[in-house]
Amino acid sequence: NAGVTQTPKFQVLKTGQSMTLQCAQDMNHNSMYWYRQDPGMGLRLIYYSASEGTTDKGEVPNGYNVSRLNKREFSLRLESAAPSQTSVYFCASSEYYRGSMSNQPQHFGDGTRLSIL
Amino acid sequence: GQQVMQIPQYQHVQEGEDFTTYCNSSTTLSNIQWYKQRPGGHPVFLIQLVKSGEVKKQKRLTFQFGEAKKNSSLHITATQTTDVGTYFCAGTMEYGNKLVFGAGTILRVKS
Repeated sequence: NAGVTQTPKFQVLKTGQSMTLQCAQDMNHNSMYWYRQDPGMGLRLIYYSASEGTTDKGEVPNGYNVSRLNKREFSLRLESAAPSQTSVYFCASSEYYRGSMSNQPQHFGDGTRLSIL
Repeated sequence: GQQVMQIPQYQHVQEGEDFTTYCNSSTTLSNIQWYKQRPGGHPVFLIQLVKSGEVKKQKRLTFQFGEAKKNSSLHITATQTTDVGTYFCAGTMEYGNKLVFGAGTILRVKS
């Protein structure tokens, strides 16, 4: 099984360009997440989807939009990229158990390394 | 901002020495998880603690959850070069519904 698959792995954009990061999981998980990782900042939650059909803002949602296309897929869109969005982006998924998604292990993809010039 | 503080930010040890990273929250946590990220890799789940005072071991790794459920630690005995990476704690605030990650501790091991 592939687990969590992210595409692309690397991307360079110019300021103002738009882009969609793709994420798919094959573990039949209900919950999916998008994080960004910057040096010294750990993992910061951008958006999450507790279950198919729902999406919610995380800690740093400004400048991003998401779509939970179906149970497997959760995409992250940058409408007008800015240099401050240069980062490594991780998608993750987890099961949803007893009304909570935060008591289950999260499974991460390999990440997308995004540079914005 | 970060609600889960992790220290130290960085530690460089000689192979065979012990290593400990600490995670602290100002509010009670309902659970805490630990992840390891190898250089250039993605975070990988190690363990979850949910009970006050809980201690769990995985080979040379010992994980503890404080009695007040506001702090946790990961201790590695006799580090090896394979232990290199960043260790993250992630906690759920009591009555919350999302994991909040600490900033991580970067471990480097000199052989």
